[in-house]
Amino acid sequence: DAGVIQSPRHEVTEMGQEVTLRCKPISGHDYLFWYRQTMMRGLELLIYFNNNVPIDDSGMPEDRFSAKMPNASFSTLKIQPSEPRDSAVYFCASSLGKPQPINYGYTFGSGTRLTVV
Amino acid sequence: RKEVEQDPGPFNVPEGATVAFNCTYSNSASQSFFWYRQDCRKEPKLLMSVYSSGNEDGRFTAQLNRASQYISLLIRDSKLSDSATYLCAVSGQNFVFGPGTRLSVLP
Repeated sequence: DAGVIQSPRHEVTEMGQEVTLRCKPISGHDYLFWYRQTMMRGLELLIYFNNNVPIDDSGMPEDRFSAKMPNASFSTLKIQPSEPRDSAVYFCASSLGKPQPINYGYTFGSGTRLTVV
Repeated sequence: RKEVEQDPGPFNVPEGATVAFNCTYSNSASQSFFWYRQDCRKEPKLLMSVYSSGNEDGRFTAQLNRASQYISLLIRDSKLSDSATYLCAVSGQNFVFGPGTRLSVLP
């Protein structure tokens, strides 16, 4: 199994540009999570999907952020327009069912390090 | 109050020391608990799940106290390779990670 695959690994963009982050969850996993990590705020849940349906997007900072999951094997997180304060590492994670010991919790992708200048 | 809180750290300990981390959570409906390890510039990786009866994996012991709403992680005979940030995670109604506690094991 290739694990959770995220792309790109690094992204540097100018303020105001649109940024799209991509995630391919582990095959068969029905939960997908987008987290953002910064030194100041730690690992924050932005949104999660169950069976491709967004369940809770209360962590999405503002309308500039949007996420989609058109099918079970692909999700995107889009920021438009991007701002310097969006600079962070964005992680995608998936699990089979809600994360629990029996399913070994979350499996994270390697993350996308976003820098907005 | 944050949903999940951890010892602020950092913890600097000599090799061979025993170190304990604590994590408290506010949502009593939380169902599943984990400890994750995160190395610098890497993704979090599952270290161990936390079972109600407590569980041990080699030098690592995790415990859950539902009444007081905290989990703990004990590392015995610490190694240089244990240096990392340790994150607790709570799953159930919400999916929340603690801020992490950084551990440096010194030679």
